[in-house]
Amino acid sequence: QKEVEQDPGPLSVPEGAIVSLNCTYSNSAFQYFMWYRQYSRKGPELLMYTYSSGNKEDGRFTAQVDKSSKYISLFIRDSQPSDSATYLCAMRIGTASKLTFGTGTRLQVTL
Amino acid sequence: GAVVSQHPSWVICKSGTSVKIECRSLDFQATTMFWYRQFPKQSLMLMATSNEGSKATYEQGVEKDKFLINHASLTLSTLTVTSAHPEDSSFYICSAQTDGAYQETQYFGPGTRLLVL
Repeated sequence: QKEVEQDPGPLSVPEGAIVSLNCTYSNSAFQYFMWYRQYSRKGPELLMYTYSSGNKEDGRFTAQVDKSSKYISLFIRDSQPSDSATYLCAMRIGTASKLTFGTGTRLQVTL
Repeated sequence: GAVVSQHPSWVICKSGTSVKIECRSLDFQATTMFWYRQFPKQSLMLMATSNEGSKATYEQGVEKDKFLINHASLTLSTLTVTSAHPEDSSFYICSAQTDGAYQETQYFGPGTRLLVL
């Protein structure tokens, strides 16, 4: 079993829809959680960083962490075609430890 | 802020040659940098952790004599692929971890695409 599970998709939604992206993990020692967006042939771009259970909002993005269920989510409101990319969840145990990534979910937002 | 650059963005080389890739943190100092490789439609695979002024820590299965890492300053780490072969063709991405008062996290460079003929 992988430490971090993420549905690879692809996930196709119409423009304006609310998108829900999820990851589950098995290691309860993970304390820091990140979401990255990666466009084709580019490096990942940090979207959200959280270290506590609950919600964190930034513009159209909301990150949700449920440590009791070992489940994290990223919600995108009013999705745009420019949101079409691969979304990677990542997590780590301590601030200085390496990241463990999910496999990434490919999102396609259609007109 | 938190910009990481990589050079070159793409490189084509002949089998048997060595290729050096640079990773720079442009507006912050990074004691720790990371090197990843990524195959098409796959997630990032960590190759090594690079600490300024000390030897890199390689992940299991990564040949340290083939992938030479040097982290000579707080803003520059280099990865040299020695005696490259076609199977080394991949997308290499570095990241730099922020130090200090604000939340430490990794910021990624734009990647270097390597094609070995």
